[in-house]
Amino acid sequence: QSALTQPPSASGSPGQSVTISCTGTNSDVGTYNYVSWYQQHPGKAPKLMLYEVSKRPPGVPDRFSGSKSGNTASLTVSGLQAEDEADYYCTSYAGRTTYVFGTGTKVTVL
Amino acid sequence: QLQLQESGPGLVKSSETLSLTCTVSGASINSNPYYWAWIRQPPGKGLEWIGSISYSGSTYYNPSLKSRVIISVDTSKKQFSLKLSSVTATDTAVYYCARHPGSASEFESWGQGTLVTVSS
Repeated sequence: QSALTQPPSASGSPGQSVTISCTGTNSDVGTYNYVSWYQQHPGKAPKLMLYEVSKRPPGVPDRFSGSKSGNTASLTVSGLQAEDEADYYCTSYAGRTTYVFGTGTKVTVL
Repeated sequence: QLQLQESGPGLVKSSETLSLTCTVSGASINSNPYYWAWIRQPPGKGLEWIGSISYSGSTYYNPSLKSRVIISVDTSKKQFSLKLSSVTATDTAVYYCARHPGSASEFESWGQGTLVTVSS
């Protein structure tokens, strides 16, 4: 299992949109629609933002959306707000109840 | 409301065994279809799934750690535990426990995490 590939950083001004990619393989992202995304503020535990590619848990703003094409999943944050500045991680089911995480992306709100 | 709380020594000597416990409140630990996981994060680095245990006690491990990891559950105490043997400095990390509502599902709830430092 190799970590899913994410860009190290992404940024946008308040109100703009930012999209983060998460690239895996045919053994994980490409095969399963069990991709989830987590937001992590410094010193805090990760928080689930999206699951099964594009579903939002209760309480997560609809500014957060997800998609998948082939071996790459994406998270888009629309209408960026200051509180969206955080690290974001994707994860994918990889079969036989195993998981692989992404390398993480630091989102900066300019 | 589900709460998860990690506990255990914050300092472990190199070559010894790291032992952590996660106490679950607000939910039954042996309730179908829930799974319970350990995830770690070295300082300044990304997340790594260590392994999971199912509501029925079946275990699943990260292949890269499988030879050193044991996850177990104590239903009566509403706890599940992690043992990682032969630790080195690379095992220094914040260790999180989490719940996922199925064998392929997302990590829906997390503990606050506990830092374990491996010293030489």
